[in-house]
Amino acid sequence: EAGVAQSPRYKIIEKRQSVAFWCNPISGHATLYWYQQILGQGPKLLIQFQNNGVVDDSQLPKDRFSAERLKGVDSTLKIQPAKLEDSAVYLCASSASGQNTGELFFGEGSRLTVL
Amino acid sequence: AQSVTQLDSQVPVFEEAPVELRCNYSSSVSVYLFWYVQYPNQGLQLLLKYLSGSTLVKGINGFEAEFNKSQTSFHLRKPSVHISDTAEYFCAVIASKSGGSYIPTFGRGTSLIVHP
Repeated sequence: EAGVAQSPRYKIIEKRQSVAFWCNPISGHATLYWYQQILGQGPKLLIQFQNNGVVDDSQLPKDRFSAERLKGVDSTLKIQPAKLEDSAVYLCASSASGQNTGELFFGEGSRLTVL
Repeated sequence: AQSVTQLDSQVPVFEEAPVELRCNYSSSVSVYLFWYVQYPNQGLQLLLKYLSGSTLVKGINGFEAEFNKSQTSFHLRKPSVHISDTAEYFCAVIASKSGGSYIPTFGRGTSLIVHP
């Protein structure tokens, strides 16, 4: 079974530029998460989708971050314009809907460096 | 609101020694508890989980954890560590939210460093 795919793995941009990250969850997983992991900290939830609807985006900085999951499968997370403090690893995870186990399956992450 | 506290940012230990990584949580509702491991430049992988039933849960790679409701703790243990256990370990809690959705919250992580 293929795991969660993310791209790009690494991205370096200058502040005020834009960047987009892509995630393909495990086939059949209805729930998709985007986490931000700053160096030395635990993952912080940015947004959670159930199919193509948003379950929670309370910690998403909506003035610069946006995310979509138009067909309920792939998802894109965009940052525009980027700030220095956005340097982090962006983790995508998915879980199977209808299960209360809550187990999340993570991709390898996209490491963003903002100069 | 739920939260997770991992009391130790770093735990150094010698190979073949026992180790305990501490995790405390707060939540006003029933919770599910998890431990994830993250090796360098990789995503997180599930080590073990507590959903219900026996408070002692066993996971992969010889790890186990005990759920203690009165102390709101879910400490991770291994009786004898190996060099390959060197990694970052994250405790996570999921509490039910109104509407039936589940929002996972992670602790800041504990870096386990195993010395030869």
